[in-house]
Amino acid sequence: AQTVTQSQPEMSVQEAETVTLSCTYDTSESDYYLFWYKQPPSRQMILVIRQEAYKQQNATENRFSVNFQKAAKSFSLKISDSQLGDAAMYFCAYRSFDFTGTASKLTFGTGTRLQVTL
Amino acid sequence: GAVVSQHPSRVICKSGTSVKIECRSLDFQATTMFWYRQFPKQSLMLMATSNEGSKATYEQGVEKDKFLINHASLTLSTLTVTSAHPEDSSFYICSARGSRHGYTFGSGTRLTVV
Repeated sequence: AQTVTQSQPEMSVQEAETVTLSCTYDTSESDYYLFWYKQPPSRQMILVIRQEAYKQQNATENRFSVNFQKAAKSFSLKISDSQLGDAAMYFCAYRSFDFTGTASKLTFGTGTRLQVTL
Repeated sequence: GAVVSQHPSRVICKSGTSVKIECRSLDFQATTMFWYRQFPKQSLMLMATSNEGSKATYEQGVEKDKFLINHASLTLSTLTVTSAHPEDSSFYICSARGSRHGYTFGSGTRLTVV
């Protein structure tokens, strides 16, 4: 079974600064997907960024980028120019490449609470 | 974009009663729906996966008879917590996956059993 580990329960960053959230995972599969989700106080889960394991290029979405190290099974999220609205719980998630039925389920890490200070 | 409507957002029920939570995909057909439970300041724990027209697949440790999941159509899945007890109080979130969509989450239901 796959596991996802987020070793930072809480992180803090000043507005306009950059912060990196860590995520490691364990899998025996060669093809899979990795995600970062944001859960603000409203508790609505919001997709931040997605990475396909077969792609060597790191995914980027505006101020959000990842550092995907497949051999190390590491998938960190970098938030640049942090904004107050970035304050939330961030969850790293894994999904098998096979997207049928139960294989398409997401396995979540324990989350990192990000605080953004003025 | 894809939208999933989850109702109710909050519900309080008496111990021993049942409560139903609905999860509806508004603008796409959800081939697979997932039900999660989230305790305060914790991660999402998958309870079960359901495909339209077939029985749900429950995760280990989840009581099938207590958490009844129905996925009768491609746009609607329901979770019924039967004979609810205070320990069932939690935040429940559904997620829908269509053939051309990623995962779309509902806004969650806070269940309080008194």
